[in-house]
Amino acid sequence: AQSVSQHNHHVILSEAASLELGCNYSYGGTVNLFWYVQYPGQHLQLLLKYFSGDPLVKGIKGFEAEFIKSKFSFNLRKPSVQWSDTAEYFCAVTLNRGANNLFFGTGTRLTVIP
Amino acid sequence: DTAVSQTPKYLVTQMGNDKSIKCEQNLGHDTMYWYKQDSKKFLKIMFSYNNKELIINETVPNRFSPKSPDKAHLNLHINSLELGDSAVYFCASSQHGPGQPQHFGDGTRLSIL
Repeated sequence: AQSVSQHNHHVILSEAASLELGCNYSYGGTVNLFWYVQYPGQHLQLLLKYFSGDPLVKGIKGFEAEFIKSKFSFNLRKPSVQWSDTAEYFCAVTLNRGANNLFFGTGTRLTVIP
Repeated sequence: DTAVSQTPKYLVTQMGNDKSIKCEQNLGHDTMYWYKQDSKKFLKIMFSYNNKELIINETVPNRFSPKSPDKAHLNLHINSLELGDSAVYFCASSQHGPGQPQHFGDGTRLSIL
């Protein structure tokens, strides 16, 4: 079945630790990849996106993600997390055909301990 | 200025009632969406409209009826509310076309008593 998988349900880190959140998708063909963040009680905000070109994408707030086509992966990274990064992180895919709706992963809750 | 605004932010009502959620975007986008986020935070597309025309209608009970009076507005009307409808409903908008990033509203938390 077509899906987006985020294997880490809840990640707990201390401030300054490095972060990597996994995302795998199983859609065939060309896809567009996104990471969204949802801070507590707020709406989803776009962190970064990949359409084509350089597979290493840089986003806001020091986040980056790497598209590895052979692994169907788009992992999110940050070298040094801050307490303010505590949030829910969603990986999402749109297909490069048809409608533009997002297919979301189940989300990863990140808790950063000061 | 709020780009995508939803009202109300909270909605508490009883089973069997009919309610509406409104959404407006001032980004000049031509495509709008409704997503449902369940208690486990899973987000799923419900509807998508492009230039006031329905282009996606996922497996959603026909108690849910979207209406788009113009391309800046997409409202969601729900008839005969059920307990399982309790969720956060997010409106979003984008330009039409593959890969266009979507901008989300603050969500409407619907609680059915």
